[in-house]
Amino acid sequence: AIQLTQSPSSLSASVGDRVTISCRASQDIRNDLGWYQQKPGKAPKLLIFDASSLQSGVPSRFSGSGSGTDFTLTISTVQSEDFATYYCLQDNNYPWTFGQGTKVEIK
Amino acid sequence: QVQLQESGPGLLKPSQTLSLTCTVSGESINSGHYSWSWIRQSAGKGLEWIGRIYTHGNTNYNPSLKSRVTMSVDTSKNQFSLKLTSVIAADTAVYFCARGSPPWFWGQGALVTVSS
Repeated sequence: AIQLTQSPSSLSASVGDRVTISCRASQDIRNDLGWYQQKPGKAPKLLIFDASSLQSGVPSRFSGSGSGTDFTLTISTVQSEDFATYYCLQDNNYPWTFGQGTKVEIK
Repeated sequence: QVQLQESGPGLLKPSQTLSLTCTVSGESINSGHYSWSWIRQSAGKGLEWIGRIYTHGNTNYNPSLKSRVTMSVDTSKNQFSLKLTSVIAADTAVYFCARGSPPWFWGQGALVTVSS
């Protein structure tokens, strides 16, 4: 199975900061990567698909980049509602696999 | 707007069979060429994709669970289902159903606890 390694595992940020989360795949997955946001007690919410396409209804402060094995999720100006846990998912190869998550906390 | 809702027993004993159903509302499960997935989340293993099914019956399962998993679709009831046999404590998790590739519509999740 393809392993996805996210870094960092957690980070602290202030409202207005720029936040960057990395996801590295153990082998080439082209651009078959999505990013999710999850808040406690809720299902994950898809933010980005195909590595860089913004899901409908998601604020434009979220962006994704990368291809192959290295991917990045960026929140340009973090807002209070963005404090949550973020996961990457690859659907290039079975079984689909998730990263271990990055918790974004308030500084 | 499509909605998904998981249902099924919340407490199982080891060796029993987990059976969950996802009811799709707001549109026909046959509309569009979507895949329908089951995903679980436990404290110990994070998010784990269990498998997916198309309405024409094709399935893909996670090899780690393949020997114990069966998915099915009932288009007349607008539902799809998951069966996981011989459950153990490590199968304790919140189970989500979801639509799409990658999944973008999710149910709210159903907690299943395996305990003697």
